[in-house]
Amino acid sequence: DAKTTQPPSMDCAEGRAANLPCNHSTISGNEYVYWYRQIHSQGPQYIIHGLKNNETNEMASLIITEDRKSSTLILPHATLRDTAVYYCIVRAYTGTASKLTFGTGTRLQVTL
Amino acid sequence: EAGVVQSPRYKIIEKKQPVAFWCNPISGHNTLYWYLQNLGQGPELLIRYENEEAVDDSQLPKDRFSAERLKGVDSTLKIQPAELGDSAVYLCASSFDRGPTEAFFGQGTRLTVV
Repeated sequence: DAKTTQPPSMDCAEGRAANLPCNHSTISGNEYVYWYRQIHSQGPQYIIHGLKNNETNEMASLIITEDRKSSTLILPHATLRDTAVYYCIVRAYTGTASKLTFGTGTRLQVTL
Repeated sequence: EAGVVQSPRYKIIEKKQPVAFWCNPISGHNTLYWYLQNLGQGPELLIRYENEEAVDDSQLPKDRFSAERLKGVDSTLKIQPAELGDSAVYLCASSFDRGPTEAFFGQGTRLTVV
């Protein structure tokens, strides 16, 4: 699976949009971009995933560049409960899904 | 629908003792994962099952770790004997891999070896 690069930490004011970047310049055509987050002392929580089109769900939006070498996770109105470590993962799918390979993620701190 | 259930939630044992963790995946999920997470690090895969078959166990330290998934449902991860360095959070996840779907994680078991 392709490796990802994320900033180690970011701050965001409550109520503002949090934009978390991820670089995956070696991504292959059969690899999807997944985002998970992990709140302290809990298991990772799935947020969203996509292949090449932008995706939106009730939690977030995922913007993938046209060349697919980078993406941005957008939390439109961050709250204190969004404080967590956010992991960007690329995962191959070729009939069966490959494992999720986690990096060290971005620690997002949402402040008042 | 219940999520991935793991037990126990916490475990403290003395070194050289055995320990076992149990995972009940989401009903119908064919793929089950065990991950290890050290403090300040992302989870690392130990073993992945598709139904009852272990399809990726290359990162499992087989001298002391073992796992099984009988009947392709529940799974048990065992360490014998435990070492101080095994102190970590052990996470179980499951997914229904008939498409590029998401995996769901349990709360994990926090193991402390003293």
